[in-house]
Amino acid sequence: QVQLQQWGAGLLKPSETLSLTCAVYGGSFSAYYWTWIRQPPGKGLEWIGEITHSGSTNSRPSLKSRVSMSVDTSKNQFSLKLTSVTAADTATYYCVRVFRGVRFVERLDYMDVWGKGTTVIVSS
Amino acid sequence: SSELTQDPAVSLALGQTVKITCQGDSLRTYYANWYQQKPGQAPVLVIYGNNNRPPGIPDRFSVSSSGNTASLTITGAQAEDEADYYCHSPVNSGNRYVFGTGTKVTVL
Repeated sequence: QVQLQQWGAGLLKPSETLSLTCAVYGGSFSAYYWTWIRQPPGKGLEWIGEITHSGSTNSRPSLKSRVSMSVDTSKNQFSLKLTSVTAADTATYYCVRVFRGVRFVERLDYMDVWGKGTTVIVSS
Repeated sequence: SSELTQDPAVSLALGQTVKITCQGDSLRTYYANWYQQKPGQAPVLVIYGNNNRPPGIPDRFSVSSSGNTASLTITGAQAEDEADYYCHSPVNSGNRYVFGTGTKVTVL
């Protein structure tokens, strides 16, 4: 059974850098896209960005200037950094596995395994 | 628009059937995926693509779609189905994915 275990600092001051890492246990690391999703308190889900095993990235345009992602294939881990955080970045952050491909002629693109989430609070 | 709109909340009695809808332009091109989220927990995938259920998801969950609208139906809702439900799809824009606004399902 595939599991995602994530960790990182949960309390930041404005202007600091959010740093989260997610370790993948079980399953293939190269066959999926590895994604970060966040959820502000009491609100919905928001896609932050994704990275492949080879290090190709894609991120939300509104966050692109502050987001960086990296991957360590030797440890099956991927990481997120978000610079210059503000209170608006307060949220629960999830690392997520994404399947994107064709299965039995059906084009699929879905998020099937989620980490437990890390609550990040930005406060002075 | 690249948004997905859902009704905020729905209530139903135990054992009844409920249909949750999700509307958005991206659904004319892509199937919606559906996630269930209980308080304090991470979302769980319940349906993906054209009515596919991950292992362990009961068959009382099913989907349908027409035009720009996707629907998740829970047939014979159980108490454990009480949760927030989010639809999700890829989009043909820089944001890559969009999530629905969420529907809170209460089973009375």
